[in-house]
Amino acid sequence: GDSVTQMEGPVTLSEEAFLTINCTYTATGYPSLFWYVQYPGEGLQLLLKATKADDKGSNKGFEATYRKETTSFHLEKGSVQVSDSAVYFCALPNTGNQFYFGTGTSLTVIP
Amino acid sequence: DAGITQSPRYKITETGRQVTLMCHQTWSHSYMFWYRQDLGHGLRLIYYSAAADITDKGEVPDGYVVSRSKTENFPLTLESATRSQTSVYFCASSQRQGQGYNEQFFGPGTRLTVL
Repeated sequence: GDSVTQMEGPVTLSEEAFLTINCTYTATGYPSLFWYVQYPGEGLQLLLKATKADDKGSNKGFEATYRKETTSFHLEKGSVQVSDSAVYFCALPNTGNQFYFGTGTSLTVIP
Repeated sequence: DAGITQSPRYKITETGRQVTLMCHQTWSHSYMFWYRQDLGHGLRLIYYSAAADITDKGEVPDGYVVSRSKTENFPLTLESATRSQTSVYFCASSQRQGQGYNEQFFGPGTRLTVL
């Protein structure tokens, strides 16, 4: 069945370091792909999405490119800040407006 | 205030008690969802609803009951709480869209502890 697999965390980086969080998916067809972010004490919120192959989603300095040849949607940011400390979830839509969520990757950025 | 709210934000209860978690959204979204979040499991769908009076089971429905008599409310009831139901519960909503998949909007969560 359809699923997403995220890299295990936690990830700890120094401020201004480069971030990559890996996400691969298994799906029938070519669905849209999403990244959600959960800041401490809050619910999830949409970070970015891509609706078709080779699309690049971007928001708040984060980017992810939908690569069908590698079935991947890795999240990247060139220079992380302390305020980026959060849990990041890769997500794949399912029928009925549902989503398959990855297990989440916790990021801590230290000054 | 517009948005999606959950109450209570924190709840401590005892094994065997009935607990109801409330969820309210002001957007008139068609779809609503209940998730639980546990370390190592990410988010798991408990129940969802496509419209008022239409509900369906998700991945982990056992021990939970939902209802949706009004579009804006989607309460989740634990009929007889167990320690394994200690978790953080999130409600979410999204709007129906023809062929696409719509963003889900999440509430702030309810942290439930069952002693």
